[in-house]
Amino acid sequence: AQSVSQHNHHVILSEAASLELGCNYSYGGTVNLFWYVQYPGQHLQLLLKYFSGDPLVKGIKGFEAEFIKSKFSFNLRKPSVQWSDTAEYFCAVIGSARQLTFGSGTQLTVLP
Amino acid sequence: DAGVIQSPRHEVTEMGQEVTLRCKPISGHDYLFWYRQTMMRGLELLIYFNNNVPIDDSGMPEDRFSAKMPNASFSTLKIQPSEPRDSAVYFCASSDKTESNEQFFGPGTRLTVL
Repeated sequence: AQSVSQHNHHVILSEAASLELGCNYSYGGTVNLFWYVQYPGQHLQLLLKYFSGDPLVKGIKGFEAEFIKSKFSFNLRKPSVQWSDTAEYFCAVIGSARQLTFGSGTQLTVLP
Repeated sequence: DAGVIQSPRHEVTEMGQEVTLRCKPISGHDYLFWYRQTMMRGLELLIYFNNNVPIDDSGMPEDRFSAKMPNASFSTLKIQPSEPRDSAVYFCASSDKTESNEQFFGPGTRLTVL
């Protein structure tokens, strides 16, 4: 069975700080990887996804993630966060089936 | 496209009552998923359908929960009887056959069972 682990439960940063959120997955086969964001009171929105090709994936709003197969990781990065990035971030993986398995989420708070 | 549509957006009911949540997937999508989000358990997949057929319902908590997809444009998740521990946000998502498997989420239904 596939699983996803997000190491940071709550991250607090000041505006303009750099962000890196950790995500590790466990699954032996080919995976599709996703980062979703959930703004307060809203539904999940896709930030970026990886399913093949260049392991460095660029998403919306200046976010990017790097798939490192040897480390089973898909960390999310942003060089300079803004107050509007305050949200919960979920890493997710799909293996052979269509089932999307989510990590427990990381709450990001950006202080103005 | 309007995206995935869910109704109602909020539901408050009393313990023991029947609750029906509704979902309209994106037109042309073959897969439909129901998720539940709680503080304690995070996001959990309850059940998913492919071409209106339930494929995996192993995430459905117990027999009080049932889901149907009578046609390609409509699905329901029913809880009967409801209990306070069912209080959560229920999300519906849909996806198509493309390789990327991206799922598009609806706005969710916030259920409160008193």
